[in-house]
Amino acid sequence: GDQVEQSPSALSLHEGTGSALRCNFTTTMRAVQWFRKNSRGSLINLFYLASGTKENGRLKSAFDSKERYSTLHIRDAQLEDSGTYFCAAEGTNTGKLTFGDGTVLTVKP
Amino acid sequence: GPKVLQIPSHQIIDMGQMVTLNCDPVSNHLYFYWYKQILGQQMEFLVNFYNGKVMEKSKLFKDQFSVERPDGSYFTLKIQPTALEDSAVYFCASSSGGGAETLYFGSGTRLTVL
Repeated sequence: GDQVEQSPSALSLHEGTGSALRCNFTTTMRAVQWFRKNSRGSLINLFYLASGTKENGRLKSAFDSKERYSTLHIRDAQLEDSGTYFCAAEGTNTGKLTFGDGTVLTVKP
Repeated sequence: GPKVLQIPSHQIIDMGQMVTLNCDPVSNHLYFYWYKQILGQQMEFLVNFYNGKVMEKSKLFKDQFSVERPDGSYFTLKIQPTALEDSAVYFCASSSGGGAETLYFGSGTRLTVL
């Protein structure tokens, strides 16, 4: 079945720096979503992409269906960015949503 | 790895009927969630549930929706009565904690309201 490999599983950043999370897909996906888990454990939507890139503040996401990956870039990381981030992708044929295993981001002073 | 099971995978009902979606969460998990995804749209948070109580719910969690987990059995989402706009895939998730612990998702129940 469809697989989503999310990396890294854990990431530590100093305030003001940046990095990227990545999700690789084993099959062609028609859309990808990125989420962040809030302090109550609920998932908050960050991006929904069927193609191309989107930017929102210090976050930017890209999705390449043909190359089978999506990225989430964080720049100028702040302490409040700490949390767990998930990607989820929709199968082209099935429409089924498959989730990555999450990335625990820790931003340090 | 840990699995969340959702039963059934697909359910078709007539508008106005009641429906109950069942979720069998990971056995030692304490936090439970429902999400809704309309075809072609992003998945949206509905509700989270801990210690027998709704902790947080979104605007999508209408008065016709209710959740419970009686005696540690299935975590359920009940819709009564259903409406056409309730047609969607509903995802259940669970986690061991409410903070940074990862969420484990079921494969979803596709609800079709006719």
